[in-house]
Amino acid sequence: GAGVSQSPSNKVTEKGKDVELRCDPISGHTALYWYRQRLGQGLEFLIYFQGNSAPDKSGLPSDRFSAERTGESVSTLTIQRTQQEDSAVYLCASSSRTVLDNEQFFGPGTRLTVL
Amino acid sequence: RKEVEQDPGPFNVPEGATVAFNCTYSNSASQSFFWYRQDCRKEPKLLMSVYSSGNEDGRFTAQLNRASQYISLLIRDSKLSDSATYLCVKSSRANNLFFGTGTRLTVIP
Repeated sequence: GAGVSQSPSNKVTEKGKDVELRCDPISGHTALYWYRQRLGQGLEFLIYFQGNSAPDKSGLPSDRFSAERTGESVSTLTIQRTQQEDSAVYLCASSSRTVLDNEQFFGPGTRLTVL
Repeated sequence: RKEVEQDPGPFNVPEGATVAFNCTYSNSASQSFFWYRQDCRKEPKLLMSVYSSGNEDGRFTAQLNRASQYISLLIRDSKLSDSATYLCVKSSRANNLFFGTGTRLTVIP
């Protein structure tokens, strides 16, 4: 079956521009997560959705970052006024229940480069 | 203090060797623990969950020590295909995951 997909796979943008990153989770998965991974670094938790609600936004690094999820399916991560330090791979993952019980399945990521 | 701390390595071991990784965590309220594997420029994938009683999957053994707040991963009879970064992961009550920075393993022919 289809796994988690993300688009675009690569995005190059100029400093100050806004970008939108999309995640399509595995069908039926109620939980959706966004992470950021800078080059050579570990994964940094950004935000978690249960259904369309985001009970935990604690990882969003600044108010330039926002995310939404609709139809308990697709999620969009938006970065406004991008900065060079936003350059990273943005990974989305989904799971069928809480992470306590079920594996998280990751998408291939979107590699964002801010010039 | 970071939620999860790992030795970044790299660990370079010959084929057939046994290698062990340790990971320490903060916050004793952490509920679940996992090891994920990440190949170069790929997404992480679950390797195994970690239980207090210890668990084994083929050549891989994971253990959790709640009293000392560490988890371990043991790989026996290393294969070239085991070369990857191994991520120590814990969950919180808020259902998000905390990832360590990963330990890089290279198995040498």
